[in-house]
Amino acid sequence: GQQIMQIPQYQHVQEGEDFTTYCNSSTTLSNIQWYKQRPGGHPVFLIQLVKSGEVKKQKRLTFQFGEAKKNSSLHITATQTTDVGTYFCAGPGGDDKIIFGKGTRLHILP
Amino acid sequence: SQTIHQWPATLVQPVGSPLSLECTVEGTSNPNLYWYRQAAGRGLQLLFYSVGIGQISSEVPQNLSASRPQDRQFILSSKKLLLSDSGFYLCASGTGAWSSYNSPLHFGNGTRLTVT
Repeated sequence: GQQIMQIPQYQHVQEGEDFTTYCNSSTTLSNIQWYKQRPGGHPVFLIQLVKSGEVKKQKRLTFQFGEAKKNSSLHITATQTTDVGTYFCAGPGGDDKIIFGKGTRLHILP
Repeated sequence: SQTIHQWPATLVQPVGSPLSLECTVEGTSNPNLYWYRQAAGRGLQLLFYSVGIGQISSEVPQNLSASRPQDRQFILSSKKLLLSDSGFYLCASGTGAWSSYNSPLHFGNGTRLTVT
């Protein structure tokens, strides 16, 4: 069935360094969404990408959707301690299902 | 905007006991509703989803069941809990308009279930 692979599983970076997480789908996606889950919290929607090759920015966060609409990435520039958490991508799995990648847990070293 | 109410926040249950987790949604009508489970430090596993009253789709065969008795009420149940049922259970609501912008999933605060 539909799968979304997400790497890396964990990432430790020094505060101020950049961070990137990648998602790859086994099939073409009509859309992809990104969520952030703070430690102890629930996932919170960040953004949705719909168009092939789309790039969206939110302050230090840059989201990309691949030309083939099978992969996506989230890049954070100059990480801050407030960026700590787990970042998930999610895509339609058919029949109104929404499936998530396994997430990338970001840990910031002061 | 949507608000997802989930309770209880934490639950400790012995093996073999029953389970009932309730989720209610405010601020929308006829939502798609989802139950996800998250093991400690792991990803979100889709358990059940529903596109309408009485309509339940199961993703993973297990000793859990779900019901949707009302449009904005989604219930997760078990007759006999297993140790492996421990985890963080999240209810989510979506509009189902997946192909359009501004149709994110809204999550409840979740229930941390520990089966002992």
